[in-house]
Amino acid sequence: RKEVEQDPGPFNVPEGATVAFNCTYSNSASQSFFWYRQDCRKEPKLLMSVYSSGNEDGRFTAQLNRASQYISLLIRDSKLSDSATYLCVVTLNDYKLSFGAGTTVTVRA
Amino acid sequence: DAGVIQSPRHEVTEMGQEVTLRCKPISGHNSLFWYRQTMMRGLELLIYFNNNVPIDDSGMPEDRFSAKMPNASFSTLKIQPSEPRDSAVYFCASSLELTGFSYEQYFGPGTRLTVT
Repeated sequence: RKEVEQDPGPFNVPEGATVAFNCTYSNSASQSFFWYRQDCRKEPKLLMSVYSSGNEDGRFTAQLNRASQYISLLIRDSKLSDSATYLCVVTLNDYKLSFGAGTTVTVRA
Repeated sequence: DAGVIQSPRHEVTEMGQEVTLRCKPISGHNSLFWYRQTMMRGLELLIYFNNNVPIDDSGMPEDRFSAKMPNASFSTLKIQPSEPRDSAVYFCASSLELTGFSYEQYFGPGTRLTVT
Protein backbone atom coordinates (compact mmCIF):
# COMPACT_ATOMS: atom_id res chain seq x y z
CA ARG A 1 0.00 0.00 0.00
CA LYS A 2 1.36 3.45 -0.85
CA GLU A 3 2.14 5.75 2.06
CA VAL A 4 0.13 8.59 0.55
CA GLU A 5 -2.71 8.13 -1.92
CA GLN A 6 -4.49 10.78 -3.91
CA ASP A 7 -7.22 10.92 -6.52
CA PRO A 8 -5.23 11.89 -9.61
CA GLY A 9 -8.16 13.79 -11.13
CA PRO A 10 -8.20 15.76 -13.29
CA PHE A 11 -10.65 18.12 -11.71
CA ASN A 12 -11.86 20.48 -14.42
CA VAL A 13 -13.68 23.46 -12.95
CA PRO A 14 -14.84 26.86 -14.22
CA GLU A 15 -13.37 30.05 -12.88
CA GLY A 16 -15.00 31.05 -9.62
CA ALA A 17 -15.97 27.51 -8.67
CA THR A 18 -15.01 25.68 -5.50
CA VAL A 19 -12.99 22.51 -5.81
CA ALA A 20 -12.03 20.11 -3.06
CA PHE A 21 -10.06 16.90 -2.93
CA ASN A 22 -8.54 14.57 -0.36
CA CYS A 23 -5.62 12.35 0.23
CA THR A 24 -5.18 9.44 2.62
CA TYR A 25 -2.06 8.30 4.41
CA SER A 26 -1.23 4.87 5.75
CA ASN A 27 1.03 5.49 8.72
CA SER A 28 -0.80 6.61 11.83
CA ALA A 29 2.51 7.81 13.31
CA SER A 30 2.84 10.51 10.67
CA GLN A 31 3.78 13.80 12.25
CA SER A 32 3.43 16.67 9.81
CA PHE A 33 1.28 17.33 6.80
CA PHE A 34 1.56 19.68 3.85
CA TRP A 35 0.15 20.56 0.49
CA TYR A 36 2.68 21.33 -2.23
CA ARG A 37 1.86 22.77 -5.62
CA GLN A 38 3.64 21.74 -8.80
CA ASP A 39 3.14 23.52 -12.10
CA CYS A 40 3.77 21.68 -15.35
CA ARG A 41 7.49 20.97 -15.80
CA LYS A 42 8.36 22.99 -12.70
CA GLU A 43 9.56 22.17 -9.21
CA PRO A 44 7.22 21.53 -6.26
CA LYS A 45 6.59 24.50 -3.99
CA LEU A 46 5.06 24.55 -0.54
CA LEU A 47 1.47 25.75 -0.67
CA MET A 48 0.55 25.38 2.99
CA SER A 49 1.05 23.33 6.09
CA VAL A 50 -1.91 21.43 7.50
CA TYR A 51 -2.74 21.67 11.17
CA SER A 52 -5.02 19.51 13.27
CA SER A 53 -7.46 22.32 13.84
CA GLY A 54 -7.70 23.11 10.15
CA ASN A 55 -6.30 26.24 8.63
CA GLU A 56 -6.95 28.78 5.91
CA ASP A 57 -4.65 30.75 3.67
CA GLY A 58 -6.70 33.12 1.57
CA ARG A 59 -8.86 31.05 -0.76
CA PHE A 60 -7.28 27.79 0.37
CA THR A 61 -8.51 25.72 3.31
CA ALA A 62 -6.77 22.60 4.57
CA GLN A 63 -8.18 20.06 6.99
CA LEU A 64 -6.63 17.10 8.78
CA ASN A 65 -8.55 14.14 10.14
CA ARG A 66 -6.12 12.01 12.14
CA ALA A 67 -8.74 9.43 13.12
CA SER A 68 -9.54 8.65 9.51
CA GLN A 69 -6.04 9.48 8.28
CA TYR A 70 -7.00 11.86 5.55
CA ILE A 71 -6.14 15.41 4.55
CA SER A 72 -8.24 17.69 2.41
CA LEU A 73 -7.69 20.84 0.40
CA LEU A 74 -10.45 23.19 -0.68
CA ILE A 75 -9.98 26.02 -3.14
CA ARG A 76 -12.64 28.72 -3.23
CA ASP A 77 -13.25 31.17 -6.06
CA SER A 78 -10.89 29.29 -8.38
CA LYS A 79 -8.57 31.31 -10.60
CA LEU A 80 -6.96 30.29 -13.86
CA SER A 81 -3.64 30.49 -12.05
CA ASP A 82 -4.75 27.74 -9.66
CA SER A 83 -4.33 25.20 -12.47
CA ALA A 84 -1.60 22.88 -11.24
CA THR A 85 -0.93 19.52 -9.65
CA TYR A 86 -1.40 19.50 -5.90
CA LEU A 87 0.82 17.11 -3.97
CA CYS A 88 -0.19 15.78 -0.58
CA VAL A 89 2.87 15.38 1.64
CA VAL A 90 3.28 13.55 4.92
CA THR A 91 6.32 13.28 7.15
CA LEU A 92 7.31 10.51 9.52
CA ASN A 93 10.28 12.33 10.97
CA ASP A 94 12.03 15.66 10.75
CA TYR A 95 13.21 15.40 7.19
CA LYS A 96 11.63 12.59 5.20
CA LEU A 97 8.73 13.77 3.06
CA SER A 98 6.41 11.19 1.51
CA PHE A 99 4.70 12.61 -1.55
CA GLY A 100 1.42 11.56 -3.04
CA ALA A 101 1.25 11.22 -6.81
CA GLY A 102 -0.70 14.46 -7.07
CA THR A 103 -4.17 15.71 -7.97
CA THR A 104 -4.42 17.70 -11.18
CA VAL A 105 -6.70 20.72 -11.19
CA THR A 106 -7.56 22.61 -14.35
CA VAL A 107 -9.48 25.86 -14.06
CA ARG A 108 -11.13 26.99 -17.30
CA ALA A 109 -12.29 30.44 -18.28
CA ASP B 1 17.83 35.85 -3.40
CA ALA B 2 19.09 32.94 -5.43
CA GLY B 3 17.19 29.75 -4.88
CA VAL B 4 18.53 26.25 -5.25
CA ILE B 5 20.60 26.04 -8.40
CA GLN B 6 20.87 22.89 -10.46
CA SER B 7 22.85 22.08 -13.55
CA PRO B 8 22.48 21.00 -16.21
CA ARG B 9 18.77 21.66 -16.72
CA HIS B 10 18.57 19.04 -19.43
CA GLU B 11 20.83 16.09 -20.11
CA VAL B 12 20.57 13.56 -22.91
CA THR B 13 23.04 10.74 -22.84
CA GLU B 14 23.51 7.24 -24.16
CA MET B 15 23.20 4.13 -22.09
CA GLY B 16 26.43 3.27 -20.34
CA GLN B 17 27.68 6.82 -20.06
CA GLU B 18 28.44 8.55 -16.78
CA VAL B 19 26.09 11.34 -15.76
CA THR B 20 26.85 13.97 -13.12
CA LEU B 21 24.15 16.27 -11.79
CA ARG B 22 25.08 19.31 -9.74
CA CYS B 23 23.36 21.29 -7.03
CA LYS B 24 24.06 24.47 -5.13
CA PRO B 25 21.77 24.79 -2.09
CA ILE B 26 20.47 28.04 -0.67
CA SER B 27 23.15 29.78 1.36
CA GLY B 28 22.73 29.08 5.07
CA HIS B 29 20.74 25.90 4.62
CA ASN B 30 22.27 22.89 6.32
CA SER B 31 20.18 20.11 4.80
CA LEU B 32 20.22 18.91 1.22
CA PHE B 33 18.03 16.37 -0.52
CA TRP B 34 18.13 14.62 -3.88
CA TYR B 35 14.79 13.47 -5.29
CA ARG B 36 13.77 11.67 -8.46
CA GLN B 37 10.40 12.14 -10.12
CA THR B 38 8.84 9.82 -12.70
CA MET B 39 5.30 9.33 -13.89
CA MET B 40 5.26 5.79 -12.57
CA ARG B 41 6.75 6.33 -9.11
CA GLY B 42 6.16 10.01 -8.40
CA LEU B 43 8.64 11.89 -6.21
CA GLU B 44 11.09 9.72 -4.33
CA LEU B 45 13.79 10.74 -1.89
CA LEU B 46 17.15 9.37 -2.98
CA ILE B 47 19.51 10.74 -0.34
CA TYR B 48 19.56 13.27 2.48
CA PHE B 49 22.59 15.21 3.75
CA ASN B 50 22.78 17.16 6.97
CA ASN B 51 25.80 19.41 7.55
CA ASN B 52 27.43 17.78 4.49
CA VAL B 53 27.12 14.28 5.96
CA PRO B 54 24.92 11.63 4.28
CA ILE B 55 22.27 10.69 6.83
CA ASP B 56 19.83 8.61 4.82
CA ASP B 57 20.71 7.00 1.50
CA SER B 58 18.11 4.26 1.68
CA GLY B 59 16.42 5.63 -1.43
CA MET B 60 19.45 5.30 -3.68
CA PRO B 61 18.36 2.69 -6.22
CA GLU B 62 21.57 0.75 -6.57
CA ASP B 63 25.34 0.97 -6.64
CA ARG B 64 25.29 2.80 -9.94
CA PHE B 65 24.12 5.87 -8.04
CA SER B 66 26.40 7.88 -5.77
CA ALA B 67 26.16 11.29 -4.17
CA LYS B 68 28.67 13.59 -2.53
CA MET B 69 28.59 16.85 -0.66
CA PRO B 70 32.18 18.06 -0.34
CA ASN B 71 31.12 21.39 1.20
CA ALA B 72 28.08 23.32 2.30
CA SER B 73 27.53 24.93 -1.08
CA PHE B 74 27.84 22.04 -3.51
CA SER B 75 26.56 18.54 -4.07
CA THR B 76 26.70 16.05 -6.93
CA LEU B 77 24.64 13.03 -7.89
CA LYS B 78 26.43 10.65 -10.20
CA ILE B 79 25.05 7.75 -12.21
CA GLN B 80 27.60 5.34 -13.66
CA PRO B 81 26.78 3.57 -15.89
CA SER B 82 23.47 5.15 -16.85
CA GLU B 83 20.51 3.08 -18.08
CA PRO B 84 17.31 4.06 -19.91
CA ARG B 85 15.25 3.41 -16.75
CA ASP B 86 17.18 6.23 -15.05
CA SER B 87 15.36 8.73 -17.26
CA ALA B 88 13.53 11.07 -14.91
CA VAL B 89 13.57 14.56 -13.45
CA TYR B 90 16.06 14.86 -10.63
CA PHE B 91 15.38 17.55 -8.06
CA CYS B 92 17.71 18.92 -5.45
CA ALA B 93 16.15 20.59 -2.41
CA SER B 94 17.56 22.34 0.62
CA SER B 95 16.27 23.42 3.99
CA LEU B 96 17.33 24.77 7.34
CA GLU B 97 17.16 22.13 10.02
CA LEU B 98 17.52 22.88 13.68
CA THR B 99 17.39 20.41 16.52
CA GLY B 100 13.93 18.91 16.50
CA PHE B 101 12.56 21.18 13.80
CA SER B 102 12.80 21.35 10.06
CA TYR B 103 11.79 24.28 7.94
CA GLU B 104 10.34 24.22 4.44
CA GLN B 105 12.24 22.34 1.75
CA TYR B 106 13.00 24.54 -1.26
CA PHE B 107 13.33 22.71 -4.54
CA GLY B 108 15.61 23.54 -7.42
CA PRO B 109 14.28 23.65 -11.00
CA GLY B 110 15.37 20.07 -11.63
CA THR B 111 17.50 18.28 -14.19
CA ARG B 112 15.56 16.43 -16.88
CA LEU B 113 17.62 13.35 -17.71
CA THR B 114 17.02 11.23 -20.78
CA VAL B 115 19.08 8.09 -21.27
CA THR B 116 18.76 6.54 -24.72
